[in-house]
Amino acid sequence: KAGVTQTPRYLIKTRGQQVTLSCSPISGHRSVSWYQQTPGQGLQFLFEYFSETQRNKGNFPGRFSGRQFSNSRSEMNVSTLELGDSALYLCASSLGGQVRETQYFGPGTRLLVL
Amino acid sequence: GENVEQHPSTLSVQEGDSAVIKCTYSDSASNYFPWYKQELGKGPQLIIDIRSNVGEKKDQRIAVTLNKTAKHFSLHITETQPEDSAVYFCAASRGEGGTSYGKLTFGQGTILTVHP
Repeated sequence: KAGVTQTPRYLIKTRGQQVTLSCSPISGHRSVSWYQQTPGQGLQFLFEYFSETQRNKGNFPGRFSGRQFSNSRSEMNVSTLELGDSALYLCASSLGGQVRETQYFGPGTRLLVL
Repeated sequence: GENVEQHPSTLSVQEGDSAVIKCTYSDSASNYFPWYKQELGKGPQLIIDIRSNVGEKKDQRIAVTLNKTAKHFSLHITETQPEDSAVYFCAASRGEGGTSYGKLTFGQGTILTVHP
């Protein structure tokens, strides 16, 4: 079974631009969670989607948004990029039926904001 | 909200030795505790997890123990090998509905180096 895939793997943007990252979950998984990983703050939860609905959201500003499509693929968008948004963005998928399910992570998208 | 503290931040051992990484959590409602291994350039990979209805779980060279009273859990790796070298993260989840869906709170990570 194919794992979680994320595109693109690397991205360079400048301040003020916006960016869209994509995540394809494992086949059959309906929940997608997004995390930001930085050396200073570690791994932080952004939001979670299930059946095209956001079920949970972390403590990030409104510039960070996401959506999920009917095939469970998910995208996250960051508008008005700031230097501090440079990070590895990880998505994780799970079956979505219960809260204590195993989450499987993708390789991440490394975003550099100049 | 939940806070997870992880120690040590770096750990260096000789091949064949054991390695222990410890985590404490703040939210007494947490009841799911996974451990992830992250290698350079890759996403975190689940290596073992424990749910609060058990105190210990073992999978070959890896074991996790949980003390709910003290709110801490530990990862034990025996007979370490150079390929065990990576960053290890502990995490906790409340395991209930509503604001728990998809949310894992991670520790800061431990860089484990196993010297041949």
